[in-house]
Formats: sequence, structure tokens, C-alpha cells
Amino acid sequence: NAGVTQTPKFQVLKTGQSMTLQCAQDMNHEYMSWYRQDPGMGLRLIHYSVGAGITDQGEVPNGYNVSRSTTEDFPLRLLSAAPSQTSVYFCASSPLSAFRDEQYFGPGTRLTVT
Amino acid sequence: RKEVEQDPGPFNVPEGATVAFNCTYSNSASQSFFWYRQDCRKEPKLLMSVYSSGNEDGRFTAQLNRASQYISLLIRDSKLSDSATYLCVVNSDPFALNAGGTSYGKLTFGQGTILTVHP
Repeated sequence: NAGVTQTPKFQVLKTGQSMTLQCAQDMNHEYMSWYRQDPGMGLRLIHYSVGAGITDQGEVPNGYNVSRSTTEDFPLRLLSAAPSQTSVYFCASSPLSAFRDEQYFGPGTRLTVT
Repeated sequence: RKEVEQDPGPFNVPEGATVAFNCTYSNSASQSFFWYRQDCRKEPKLLMSVYSSGNEDGRFTAQLNRASQYISLLIRDSKLSDSATYLCVVNSDPFALNAGGTSYGKLTFGQGTILTVHP
């Protein structure tokens, strides 16, 4: 099992550009989520999904879109990048039945918006 | 008040020392508690769950105090390899996440406590 994979590992964008961060898991987990991590702020939930076709907003959803067409994939789209979106982005997954237990994180994408 | 609050440190301790971290949470309805470990420029990984009765895993002991709304992590006989950031995670809102009427709560992360163990 590859676990949770994320691409790209690093990305530099100019203000106003759009892009998609990819996340995939091969553990057949129903629950997937996106977090951003900023210094001194902890991880903050952007969007989450409890299964294919079901998504919802987390704590900081503005400027981001998600979709979940398959169980395996949960891409995060930045619509018009802003410097405030410079951050490290982590995707995570877990079995819904074990949501209160371990979250499996991907290796992260380091995004810089200039 | 932040939902989950940790002393960011850094804690600098010699090998072999005992070190303890605390984490406070604001929502008394919180149901699940965890400690995650995050190495520099890596993803968080579960270190241990925290149970009401307290639990131990080798050199690591986690405790929960519901009355005072805090959890703690004790590391005994520190090793160089324990150097990392330790994240307190709380399932803080039992009504925040729903799928078909089932509530799964919301995981809230503390900002992390940095530990450096030196020779």
C-alpha cells in the first residue's frame, strides 16, 4: 500500500493563478480531508469528504474547491491564488468507522504564492 | 480562548531526561483525544490515543483530566530520536460533522510543542 500520496511536493504560483493539488489513497477510506499548516496556527481544516460525491466545508474553505468523484481521489483546487494561501497543505484519510481514531496523512505540498 | 492550546516551547532537554507537555481544550463535550508527532518538514503521525483511565506505551504516558480539561504527555528517558513537534488533537465538537445523520465530530489541532533532545 502506498498510503496517502500527494502531488506536487513543492509549487510556486503567481498571484491570480489557479492550480490543483492532488491527493490519492489506496486504503479504501471513506473519510478524506485537506488541512493547511501555518506557523503558530496548528493544522486547520479546509474541506472534507465522507464518501464519493459528498463534500463539505471545514474551518477555512474560502478560496478553495474540492470534489470527490471516486473513493480514492480528493483534489483541492485553488481558484485564484493569493499570498495568504502560502502554506503547507496536508491531505488525510481514515475509515469513517474509525474517524475518531488514527488519521493517515500524506507527505504534504509546500505552496508559495508570490 | 483557543479551542486547543499548547505551550509551543521549545523544550530543550538532555538525553535521559523526563519531560511533560500539557494541552488544554475549551469544549467540555470533547470526546476523543490524541497525541501526534510531527518530524521537521514531514507529515503528522499518530503517537497515541488518550484514554480516560490514562495509558502508557513504552516510555510514553498520556493522561486525561476531564475536570480541568487538559491532557498531558510524559516522555521518560528521552532519546535524541524523540526530537520533534508534538501535536495535541481533540475531537472537539460532536455535532460538527454529519453524514446521513451520524455525527463524527471535528478534529482540532493544537499549534504543537517543539521538543529538542540534546546529547
